[in-house]
Amino acid sequence: GAGVSQSPRYKVTKRGQDVALRCDPISGHVSLYWYRQALGQGPEFLTYFNYEAQQDKSGLPNDRFSAERPEGSISTLTIQRTEQRDSAMYRCASSPRVSLTDTQYFGPGTRLTVL
Amino acid sequence: GESVGLHLPTLSVQEGDNSIINCAYSNSASDYFIWYKQESGKGPQFIIDIRSNMDKRQGQRVTVLLNKTVKHLSLQIAATQPGDSAVYFCAENPNTGFQKLVFGTGTRLLVSP
Repeated sequence: GAGVSQSPRYKVTKRGQDVALRCDPISGHVSLYWYRQALGQGPEFLTYFNYEAQQDKSGLPNDRFSAERPEGSISTLTIQRTEQRDSAMYRCASSPRVSLTDTQYFGPGTRLTVL
Repeated sequence: GESVGLHLPTLSVQEGDNSIINCAYSNSASDYFIWYKQESGKGPQFIIDIRSNMDKRQGQRVTVLLNKTVKHLSLQIAATQPGDSAVYFCAENPNTGFQKLVFGTGTRLLVSP
């Protein structure tokens, strides 16, 4: 079946604008993760959900960042009042079960550029 | 597409050689480890994983070794092919009760024909 999909693939915005990044996990996967990846580095954890419940948001940089997954499927990561330092690749991943040792499958990412 | 790993440690090998990529992890409580391969412009792709109750696990052409004493993880790729060229990341679950992964720095593997 289809893998994790993310939209848009590229987003260019002006400083101060709000952006919403969408993630569609692999069908049937109950856990969904958001990471941020800077050039030359590995992904950095932001937050994750089991079903519709947000389990850990300790990686969100500040209160301008929020995420939701209201129906336990698609998730949206919202960044309010964007700043240039928010520019990065935002990656979503999903895993099939609620498990500490399940493989996380990554999507292609959304490249966010804040001007 | 994006360029992943502009200033990463690089391992250059000839096609057909065996490759060994190393990773040091910092959290002795970590209980689950994964190797990911990331090609330019793509998301990380799962290669192989290992739990802390094992010290070796084999897949197709790949082997992961875990040395908990020195907190070291390695990925061995047999008969390396040009298609193996990518950036490789190790990741660990720090065993905090949450499902997040902590990624290492990454190593770029270059395979020459």
